Amino acid sequence: QQQVKQSPQSLIVQKGGISIINCAYENTAFDYFPWYQQFPGKGPALLIAIRPDVSEKKEGRFTISFNKSAKQFSLHIMDSQPGDSATYFCAASKDYGGSQGNLIFGKGTKLSVKP
Amino acid sequence: DAGVTQSPTHLIKTRGQQVTLRCSPKSGHDTVSWYQQALGQGPQFIFQYYEEEERQRGNFPDRFSGHQFPNYSSELNVNALWLGDSALYLCASSSLGSNQPQHFGDGTRLSIL
Repeated sequence: QQQVKQSPQSLIVQKGGISIINCAYENTAFDYFPWYQQFPGKGPALLIAIRPDVSEKKEGRFTISFNKSAKQFSLHIMDSQPGDSATYFCAASKDYGGSQGNLIFGKGTKLSVKP
Repeated sequence: DAGVTQSPTHLIKTRGQQVTLRCSPKSGHDTVSWYQQALGQGPQFIFQYYEEEERQRGNFPDRFSGHQFPNYSSELNVNALWLGDSALYLCASSSLGSNQPQHFGDGTRLSIL
């Protein structure tokens, strides 16, 4: 049973556009929601994370929106650049910070930003 | 400050063999988690080690085992390899209870022939 559902599977955006990736979770005990970026041949790197007491968090061009009642969260990449082309994973965890392991990942979204 | 390092980078094995993968955590981290990432999928949690003990385990058979050493480095062992074990194996380290995120290594690509 997949606990974190991610969409779309792939996304093509023009340079300067907004990329939006959505995730939905089932377990209301989750309390930490990170987004990871992964380039080919590399491990996942943390982009930005949110906790359920906040509805939005922004870091540079990256924003997480969180809807606790709908059990959904999304990543917005503003002014998308070709260097943002990568696979993005949402994840969820029950340990308020993620240090304690057992991150549950979505299946990933392959983003391509066209020049 | 070295991040999480994993070895080897790539490995090719045949069905039925066993394999050992290694991980050195980021400096200052005491906890190591292992994940399996199949092609085109998100990482799946295998288990976590802290103070040389397995602390949590995901839904993986006991063919998957691990170890943590006093210097916090860790090994993942997989016995009786089969084709379905072909994947990228990721190690992530953290400081337990710190509320800081896990840091991932670049993984070991394991191919089973």
